[in-house]
Amino acid sequence: QVQLQQSGPGLVKPSQTLSLTCAISGDSVSSNSAAWNWIRQSPSRGLEWLGRTYYRSKWYNDYAVSVKSRITINPDTSKNQFSLQLNSVTPEDTAVYYCARGPKTAAGTEFDPWGQGTLVTVSS
Amino acid sequence: AIRMTQSPSSLSASTGDRVTITCRASQGISSYLAWYQQKPGKAPKLLIYAASTLQSGVPSRFSGSGSGTDFTLTISCLQSEDFATYYCQQYYSYSVSFGQGTKLEIK
Repeated sequence: QVQLQQSGPGLVKPSQTLSLTCAISGDSVSSNSAAWNWIRQSPSRGLEWLGRTYYRSKWYNDYAVSVKSRITINPDTSKNQFSLQLNSVTPEDTAVYYCARGPKTAAGTEFDPWGQGTLVTVSS
Repeated sequence: AIRMTQSPSSLSASTGDRVTITCRASQGISSYLAWYQQKPGKAPKLLIYAASTLQSGVPSRFSGSGSGTDFTLTISCLQSEDFATYYCQQYYSYSVSFGQGTKLEIK
Protein backbone atom coordinates (compact mmCIF):
# COMPACT_ATOMS: atom_id res chain seq x y z
CA GLN A 1 0.00 0.00 0.00
CA VAL A 2 1.50 3.29 -1.11
CA GLN A 3 1.51 6.11 1.41
CA LEU A 4 2.70 9.69 1.10
CA GLN A 5 3.74 11.82 4.08
CA GLN A 6 4.22 15.54 3.63
CA SER A 7 6.38 17.86 5.68
CA GLY A 8 7.34 21.51 5.59
CA PRO A 9 6.54 24.93 7.06
CA GLY A 10 3.03 26.30 7.12
CA LEU A 11 4.02 29.96 6.97
CA VAL A 12 6.17 31.64 4.32
CA LYS A 13 6.92 35.34 3.92
CA PRO A 14 6.14 37.13 0.65
CA SER A 15 8.99 37.00 -1.92
CA GLN A 16 10.54 33.99 -0.18
CA THR A 17 10.61 30.32 -1.24
CA LEU A 18 7.99 27.76 -0.33
CA SER A 19 9.56 24.33 0.29
CA LEU A 20 7.73 21.07 0.94
CA THR A 21 8.78 17.42 0.98
CA CYS A 22 6.79 14.26 0.29
CA ALA A 23 8.13 10.97 1.68
CA ILE A 24 7.08 7.80 -0.14
CA SER A 25 6.45 4.40 1.40
CA GLY A 26 5.33 1.32 -0.50
CA ASP A 27 6.76 2.51 -3.84
CA SER A 28 9.91 4.07 -5.23
CA VAL A 29 10.45 7.61 -6.47
CA SER A 30 12.55 5.94 -9.20
CA SER A 31 9.67 3.74 -10.36
CA ASN A 32 9.39 3.42 -14.14
CA SER A 33 5.60 3.26 -13.92
CA ALA A 34 4.66 6.22 -11.72
CA ALA A 35 4.94 9.98 -11.62
CA TRP A 36 5.16 12.14 -8.51
CA ASN A 37 3.03 15.24 -8.47
CA TRP A 38 2.28 18.41 -6.55
CA ILE A 39 -1.24 19.85 -6.55
CA ARG A 40 -2.65 22.77 -4.59
CA GLN A 41 -6.14 23.82 -3.58
CA SER A 42 -7.47 27.23 -2.70
CA PRO A 43 -10.97 28.77 -2.62
CA SER A 44 -10.08 31.14 -5.46
CA ARG A 45 -8.28 28.71 -7.80
CA GLY A 46 -9.80 25.35 -6.87
CA LEU A 47 -7.64 22.29 -7.43
CA GLU A 48 -4.59 23.21 -9.50
CA TRP A 49 -1.94 20.79 -10.73
CA LEU A 50 1.54 22.31 -10.35
CA GLY A 51 3.95 19.79 -11.74
CA ARG A 52 5.56 16.38 -11.56
CA THR A 53 8.81 14.44 -11.64
CA TYR A 54 9.27 10.92 -13.00
CA TYR A 55 11.97 8.47 -14.03
CA ARG A 56 12.01 6.77 -17.42
CA SER A 57 15.66 5.77 -17.80
CA LYS A 58 16.40 9.39 -16.90
CA TRP A 59 14.64 12.05 -14.86
CA TYR A 60 11.93 14.25 -16.36
CA ASN A 61 9.89 17.18 -15.08
CA ASP A 62 6.67 18.76 -16.31
CA TYR A 63 5.33 22.03 -14.89
CA ALA A 64 2.11 23.99 -15.17
CA VAL A 65 2.40 27.09 -17.33
CA SER A 66 1.04 29.22 -14.47
CA VAL A 67 4.06 28.53 -12.23
CA LYS A 68 6.70 27.34 -14.69
CA SER A 69 9.08 30.24 -14.07
CA ARG A 70 9.01 29.76 -10.27
CA ILE A 71 8.78 26.03 -9.60
CA THR A 72 11.25 23.20 -9.10
CA ILE A 73 10.35 19.60 -8.26
CA ASN A 74 13.25 17.33 -7.35
CA PRO A 75 13.52 13.64 -6.52
CA ASP A 76 15.69 12.45 -3.65
CA THR A 77 16.48 8.80 -4.27
CA SER A 78 18.54 8.41 -1.09
CA LYS A 79 15.48 9.21 1.04
CA ASN A 80 12.81 7.98 -1.38
CA GLN A 81 11.04 11.32 -1.45
CA PHE A 82 10.47 14.33 -3.67
CA SER A 83 10.26 18.02 -3.01
CA LEU A 84 8.55 21.18 -4.16
CA GLN A 85 10.16 24.60 -4.28
CA LEU A 86 8.10 27.60 -5.31
CA ASN A 87 10.02 30.86 -5.52
CA SER A 88 8.95 34.47 -5.10
CA VAL A 89 5.68 33.62 -3.40
CA THR A 90 2.83 36.09 -2.96
CA PRO A 91 -0.38 35.86 -0.92
CA GLU A 92 -2.02 34.32 -4.01
CA ASP A 93 0.11 31.22 -3.37
CA THR A 94 -1.68 30.62 -0.09
CA ALA A 95 -3.28 27.20 -0.43
CA VAL A 96 -3.36 23.64 0.80
CA TYR A 97 -0.57 21.80 -1.02
CA TYR A 98 -0.82 18.08 -1.76
CA CYS A 99 1.61 15.56 -3.15
CA ALA A 100 0.11 12.72 -5.15
CA ARG A 101 1.15 9.66 -7.13
CA GLY A 102 0.23 9.25 -10.74
CA PRO A 103 0.12 5.49 -11.18
CA LYS A 104 0.52 5.22 -14.91
CA THR A 105 3.11 5.86 -17.57
CA ALA A 106 0.74 7.78 -19.83
CA ALA A 107 1.07 11.49 -20.53
CA GLY A 108 -1.73 12.27 -18.13
CA THR A 109 -3.01 10.24 -15.22
CA GLU A 110 -5.38 10.12 -12.32
CA PHE A 111 -3.93 10.55 -8.83
CA ASP A 112 -3.85 7.94 -6.09
CA PRO A 113 -2.93 8.15 -3.32
CA TRP A 114 -2.58 11.74 -2.06
CA GLY A 115 -0.58 13.08 0.84
CA GLN A 116 -2.38 14.50 3.84
CA GLY A 117 -2.07 18.10 2.68
CA THR A 118 -0.18 21.08 4.08
CA LEU A 119 -1.78 24.47 4.53
CA VAL A 120 0.78 27.06 3.47
CA THR A 121 0.02 30.67 4.27
CA VAL A 122 2.00 33.45 2.60
CA SER A 123 2.08 36.38 4.97
CA SER A 124 4.55 38.73 6.59
CA ALA B 1 -6.00 24.49 -21.54
CA ILE B 2 -8.94 22.13 -21.15
CA ARG B 3 -11.68 23.57 -18.96
CA MET B 4 -13.87 21.25 -16.87
CA THR B 5 -17.33 22.42 -15.85
CA GLN B 6 -19.39 20.57 -13.26
CA SER B 7 -23.09 20.88 -12.58
CA PRO B 8 -24.72 21.47 -10.29
CA SER B 9 -22.35 23.35 -7.97
CA SER B 10 -24.36 22.11 -5.01
CA LEU B 11 -27.01 19.49 -4.49
CA SER B 12 -29.30 18.61 -1.60
CA ALA B 13 -30.44 15.02 -1.28
CA SER B 14 -31.59 12.46 1.27
CA THR B 15 -30.17 9.13 2.33
CA GLY B 16 -31.34 6.47 -0.12
CA ASP B 17 -31.68 8.89 -3.05
CA ARG B 18 -30.08 8.40 -6.43
CA VAL B 19 -28.02 11.40 -7.53
CA THR B 20 -26.19 12.33 -10.71
CA ILE B 21 -23.41 14.87 -11.15
CA THR B 22 -22.37 16.07 -14.59
CA CYS B 23 -18.95 17.11 -15.86
CA ARG B 24 -18.35 18.70 -19.25
CA ALA B 25 -14.97 19.18 -20.95
CA SER B 26 -14.24 22.15 -23.21
CA GLN B 27 -12.84 19.73 -25.80
CA GLY B 28 -12.93 15.99 -26.37
CA ILE B 29 -10.93 13.99 -23.84
CA SER B 30 -11.88 10.45 -24.86
CA SER B 31 -12.31 8.55 -21.58
CA TYR B 32 -9.45 10.24 -19.73
CA LEU B 33 -11.60 11.31 -16.80
CA ALA B 34 -11.46 10.64 -13.07
CA TRP B 35 -13.84 11.37 -10.19
CA TYR B 36 -12.83 12.17 -6.61
CA GLN B 37 -14.61 12.52 -3.29
CA GLN B 38 -13.34 15.05 -0.76
CA LYS B 39 -14.44 15.46 2.84
CA PRO B 40 -13.60 18.55 4.92
CA GLY B 41 -9.97 18.69 6.00
CA LYS B 42 -9.04 15.62 3.94
CA ALA B 43 -7.32 14.98 0.65
CA PRO B 44 -9.38 13.99 -2.39
CA LYS B 45 -10.00 10.26 -2.72
CA LEU B 46 -10.04 8.58 -6.13
CA LEU B 47 -13.39 6.95 -6.88
CA ILE B 48 -13.41 6.31 -10.64
CA TYR B 49 -10.86 6.51 -13.44
CA ALA B 50 -11.04 5.98 -17.19
CA ALA B 51 -14.54 7.48 -16.94
CA SER B 52 -16.16 4.27 -15.68
CA THR B 53 -13.61 2.05 -13.88
CA LEU B 54 -14.25 1.79 -10.17
CA GLN B 55 -11.14 2.18 -8.02
CA SER B 56 -10.43 -0.81 -5.79
CA GLY B 57 -12.33 -0.63 -2.52
CA VAL B 58 -14.92 1.89 -3.70
CA PRO B 59 -18.54 0.80 -3.14
CA SER B 60 -20.47 -0.36 -6.20
CA ARG B 61 -23.18 2.26 -5.61
CA PHE B 62 -20.77 4.66 -7.33
CA SER B 63 -20.67 4.53 -11.12
CA GLY B 64 -19.37 6.68 -13.95
CA SER B 65 -20.17 7.01 -17.61
CA GLY B 66 -19.47 9.12 -20.66
CA SER B 67 -16.79 9.82 -23.23
CA GLY B 68 -15.70 12.71 -25.39
CA THR B 69 -16.96 15.84 -23.65
CA ASP B 70 -19.84 14.75 -21.38
CA PHE B 71 -19.54 12.61 -18.27
CA THR B 72 -21.65 11.65 -15.28
CA LEU B 73 -21.07 10.34 -11.77
CA THR B 74 -24.03 8.49 -10.27
CA ILE B 75 -24.51 7.42 -6.68
CA SER B 76 -27.31 4.88 -6.72
CA CYS B 77 -28.39 4.84 -3.07
CA LEU B 78 -26.93 7.64 -0.96
CA GLN B 79 -25.40 6.69 2.35
CA SER B 80 -24.61 9.13 5.16
CA GLU B 81 -20.87 8.86 4.45
CA ASP B 82 -21.40 10.02 0.83
CA PHE B 83 -22.16 13.62 1.76
CA ALA B 84 -19.02 15.37 0.55
CA THR B 85 -17.69 17.41 -2.37
CA TYR B 86 -17.05 15.66 -5.68
CA TYR B 87 -14.56 16.68 -8.37
CA CYS B 88 -13.93 15.54 -11.90
CA GLN B 89 -10.45 15.66 -13.44
CA GLN B 90 -9.33 15.30 -17.03
CA TYR B 91 -5.98 13.72 -17.85
CA TYR B 92 -6.07 13.86 -21.63
CA SER B 93 -2.68 15.57 -21.44
CA TYR B 94 -0.06 15.80 -18.70
CA SER B 95 -1.37 19.27 -17.86
CA VAL B 96 -4.43 17.95 -16.07
CA SER B 97 -7.32 20.10 -14.85
CA PHE B 98 -10.17 19.74 -12.37
CA GLY B 99 -13.78 20.77 -12.23
CA GLN B 100 -14.84 23.35 -9.65
CA GLY B 101 -16.59 20.77 -7.49
CA THR B 102 -20.13 19.71 -6.55
CA LYS B 103 -21.05 19.88 -2.88
CA LEU B 104 -23.52 17.17 -1.92
CA GLU B 105 -25.47 18.14 1.17
CA ILE B 106 -28.08 16.49 3.32
CA LYS B 107 -31.62 17.68 2.64
